[in-house]
Amino acid sequence: AQTVTQSQPEMSVQEAETVTLSCTYDTSESNYYLFWYKQPPSRQMILVIRQEAYKQQNATENRFSVNFQKAAKSFSLKISDSQLGDTAMYFCAFIFNTGTASKLTFGTGTRLQVTL
Amino acid sequence: GAVVSQHPSWVICKSGTSVKIECRSLDFQATTMFWYRQFPKQSLMLMATSNEGSKATYEQGVEKDKFLINHASLTLSTLTVTSAHPEDSSFYICSAREASGISSDTQYFGPGTRLTVL
Repeated sequence: AQTVTQSQPEMSVQEAETVTLSCTYDTSESNYYLFWYKQPPSRQMILVIRQEAYKQQNATENRFSVNFQKAAKSFSLKISDSQLGDTAMYFCAFIFNTGTASKLTFGTGTRLQVTL
Repeated sequence: GAVVSQHPSWVICKSGTSVKIECRSLDFQATTMFWYRQFPKQSLMLMATSNEGSKATYEQGVEKDKFLINHASLTLSTLTVTSAHPEDSSFYICSAREASGISSDTQYFGPGTRLTVL
C-alpha cells in the first residue's frame, strides 16, 4: 500500500521569506506522479505543482519548486518570497498509475501561515 | 483550462431527505471523476471513483446505497446522499481527471459542497 507522510502539521513564515514543506512517501512502484495541492480558507483545492517520477529534474512553477529525491522517497515543496495569499493547507499527494483504478493518496496536510 | 464546477456550493436539508450534488468538468472531458469527503481540519477521504458509463467503485466502509453516484456523460457526475442524517453533514469535494493527454494523471478539483443536515 502507498502512504504519504507530512510530518509538519503547522508552519509559519514571514512575508517575503522562504519556507520548505516536507513530504515523504512509501511505494514499491517505479513510475508514479507526485503533487502538491493548496487548500486556502475557501477550501478550493488548487494544484500547485506536479512531478513525474521518471524525470530527474525538479519541477518549478514560479515561486514554487520541489526537491524530489527518488531514492529517499522525499518530495519537499519550497515556497520562495512567501506572500500572504500563500496562507493555506498544503497537501502532498501521490498516484502510481493512470489507469481507471488509480487514485490519489494524500498526506495529512501542513497548515502554513504567512505573517507580516 | 481544467476547470471543475460543483453545484450547489452549500445546502441545508432536513433529516430523511435526499440531496443531489453535481460535478462538471467545464473545459475538458473526464472519463473518471472522484468524490471525496473532508472533515474539518482533516485530509480528503476518497469515497468513490466514478467512471463514465459504468458503475462507481466505492471505498471500503462507504455505503453505496446511501451515496448514489451517476456518471452519465464525460462532463457530469452526480452524488446523491439518500435519506440524509446529521452525521452525513460534511464538506464534499469532487475531482475530475482528463480522458487523455499529458495531464491525464492530474486531478482537478471542484470548489466543494457544504452539506448540513438538520
